[in-house]
This record gives sequence, structure tokens and C-alpha cells, in this order.
Amino acid sequence: QVQLVESGGGLVKPGGSLRLSCAASGFTFSDYYMSWIRQAPGKGLEWVSYISSSSSYTNYADSVKGRFTISRDNAKNSLYLQMNSLRAEDTAVYYCAQRGAAEDYWGQGTLVTVSS
Amino acid sequence: EIVLTQSPGTLSLSPGERATLSCRASQSVSSSYLAWYQQKPGQAPRLLIYGASSRATGIPDRFSGSGSGTDFTLTISRLEPEDFAVYYCQQYGSSPRTFGPGTKVDIK
Repeated sequence: QVQLVESGGGLVKPGGSLRLSCAASGFTFSDYYMSWIRQAPGKGLEWVSYISSSSSYTNYADSVKGRFTISRDNAKNSLYLQMNSLRAEDTAVYYCAQRGAAEDYWGQGTLVTVSS
Repeated sequence: EIVLTQSPGTLSLSPGERATLSCRASQSVSSSYLAWYQQKPGQAPRLLIYGASSRATGIPDRFSGSGSGTDFTLTISRLEPEDFAVYYCQQYGSSPRTFGPGTKVDIK
């Protein structure tokens, strides 16, 4: 069955950096686009970024453009999100998701807290 | 960017009742690329409906979706105890993909 496991979250100071990882299993990772979506505490869902199956295409929400970089390693069945210049408003649970028909499968999320 | 509005914000119902949730888009959603997700406290969202009306794998048939253009509906025919949760709509026909603010279905 499809499994997505995020890691790398934690507490970071404003202006700092963090790299999130998502380990995928149970499907042919290299066949699928992948997304990052976040959810601030007690709030709704916000799409952050996506990457095509071969890494040819990426796209970002305006709120993170120029600060976040999505990447993947198909040989390792892994998705990444490099987050730089972090702000308090980036505090959220970050989910990775498989893009099939929509965001078909989600990981359990990893919490990123940006605070001094 | 397409803005999605969901109503009502909260729906208080009893098990066995029918739930009707609305999602309205600020402009037409391309090719009915509208999805519905369920989220329970402390859990990730789960895809229920895609393409406005197609049930995702393993989703019970008490969940149904309908609509096109700018108006979409999620219907839960008879609420089970496990259905009390927050429901989000999402459009994925144009970039950026956007989500509605959610409808909470709670126990009356």
C-alpha cells in the first residue's frame, strides 16, 4: 500500500533553514508528480509546491517562491523541501502527497515551528 | 487564483442524518477538477472524491459528489460516527491549486 513518511521538522529561528524529507513506498515513485502542502496550527490547507516525475517541472506558491526549493531522488524514492529564510508564518505541519487524480495519498506530516 | 468558499462553516447533525456540504468557486473550475478531502483531528487529509463525482479507492458509497462550473456539493447520505470531521474542497484545474476553508461536521 502507498506509504509516505515525512521527516526533518523541528524548531528553527526566524531566518533559519530546514530540509524536509519524504520517503515513499508502495508505488512506483518515479511515475508520479509529488506535492508539498502545509497546514498552520488550527488553520486550513495551503498548497506549497509540486515537482514533476522527472524533476523537469516545479512550481511554488507565491508565499514561498524564492525561499523554498523542491527536489526529488527517484533512485531513493524520496522527495525533499529545502526551506530557507524561514518566517514565523511558515509555522505549520508539512505534508507530502502523491499527485494522481488529485492529491491522492498523504503522509502523516512533520511539524515545522519558526520561533525565536 | 481561484478562491473557494465552503458553506456552512459548521454543520451539526446526528448519526443517520444526511449531510450536504457546498463549495463555490470564484471562477469556473476547469474540467470539473474538484476534489473533496476528509480530515480528522491529528490526522492527514484523506481523498474522498475527485473529478467532482468520482469516489477514491475504498471510499464508501454513502459519500457522493456533484456539480460543475462554480458550484459543487458533497453529500453524505447517512452519517456514521466516523464521518464527523472537517471536509475540504480543492480545485486542481488551474495553478495554484487552492483549497476551501473547510466545513466542520460535528455531532448534534
